[in-house]
Amino acid sequence: SQTIHQWPATLVQPVGSPLSLECTVEGTSNPNLYWYRQAAGRGLQLLFYSVGIGQISSEVPQNLSASRPQDRQFILSSKKLLLSDSGFYLCAYSQGYNSPLHFGNGTRLTVT
Amino acid sequence: EDKVVQSPLSLVVHEGDTVTLNCSYEVTNFRSLLWYKQEKKAPTFLFMLTSSGIEKKSGRLSSILDKKELSSILNITATQTGDSAIYLCAVVRDDKIIFGKGTRLHILP
Repeated sequence: SQTIHQWPATLVQPVGSPLSLECTVEGTSNPNLYWYRQAAGRGLQLLFYSVGIGQISSEVPQNLSASRPQDRQFILSSKKLLLSDSGFYLCAYSQGYNSPLHFGNGTRLTVT
Repeated sequence: EDKVVQSPLSLVVHEGDTVTLNCSYEVTNFRSLLWYKQEKKAPTFLFMLTSSGIEKKSGRLSSILDKKELSSILNITATQTGDSAIYLCAVVRDDKIIFGKGTRLHILP
């Protein structure tokens, strides 16, 4: 069966520190991978998506970057965090536009 | 610019009531529409709609897509306190999946 792992679950980081959030998918190959950010109690903002290794589409110009070094691994990074980077970050995968999106458990990031 | 708009943004009803949540969209290359329920953590999948006019049903929840009106509704009948959550609508266009801002539903006992 397919599963998606995302870690850590919570993270508190000072302003100006780096960030690395990792997401891995098991039980499927060549998934589409996504990073979303959610402000408190609201909708999901698409940050990045990837349809293959090394292929990253960025939706919102900002302080973050993404990489896909392996087929089932998606990493969200920042060199220097800002206060505005705080939020709930969700990784997700799908098997294409005819299949639903499946989410990891999310990372709650607080930048202090 | 692609857009997904949900209404209302929030809703408070009493247990036993029926609610209708709306989602309208403007996207190019529409593929499908997804509904999710989110409580504390990650959203959980409810429905995927690709064809107009065909109702999808799961227990007290049902949903239908209208491609002519570029919209979808999610109905919940005989609401229970456990239905309190944020309901998210998303539209799939090619490989990109865009979410609306969600409807926060609160059911009063």
